[in-house]
Amino acid sequence: AQSVSQHNHHVILSEAASLELGCNYSYGGTVNLFWYVQYPGQHLQLLLKYFSGDPLVKGIKGFEAEFIKSKFSFNLRKPSVQWSDTAEYFCAVADFGNEKLTFGTGTRLTIIP
Amino acid sequence: EAGVAQSPRYKIIEKRQSVAFWCNPISGHATLYWYQQILGQGPKLLIQFQNNGVVDDSQLPKDRFSAERLKGVDSTLKIQPAKLEDSAVYLCASSTRQGSYEQYFGPGTRLTVT
Repeated sequence: AQSVSQHNHHVILSEAASLELGCNYSYGGTVNLFWYVQYPGQHLQLLLKYFSGDPLVKGIKGFEAEFIKSKFSFNLRKPSVQWSDTAEYFCAVADFGNEKLTFGTGTRLTIIP
Repeated sequence: EAGVAQSPRYKIIEKRQSVAFWCNPISGHATLYWYQQILGQGPKLLIQFQNNGVVDDSQLPKDRFSAERLKGVDSTLKIQPAKLEDSAVYLCASSTRQGSYEQYFGPGTRLTVT
């Protein structure tokens, strides 16, 4: 069964610092990849997704993620974080042709003004 | 566009009691999901409906959990009897069609079993 690892449980950064959150999945076949974000007091919402094509995908609010198939990774990046990026970030994977999402355990991001 | 609605937002019950959660998906969304999110973990899919039919319930503990979506719109998830380990946030999500992959989540119901 598919599994997803997010190695950073809690990340604390100052505003304007660069961000990279790691995500690795276990199954080596064709997959669809997602990052979801949950801001304090809000619903889970989709940040960005990768289905095929350019492995560097751009999402909302200046976030991007790079799919590296050889490393089974889909890391999330942002060049300069803002206090408003404080949230919990979840990586999720779906095997191709299967809608079932497998989520990682999440990374709590705290941005210090 | 109204989002996914869930109620109640919070529920506290004693073990061995029963509880039910309600979800109303975004209008026109045919696919509905129930997830369980235990503290410190990511959401785990319990059951997926396509209209009023079950697509995947492989991770639903069927001895105590049940779910229905009778008219292909709103859905109810029930736990009977509850155990301490059922304490979690129960999330409902919907998507426009099977295979769309983009799921829209509700606010969740936080269940505490004492």
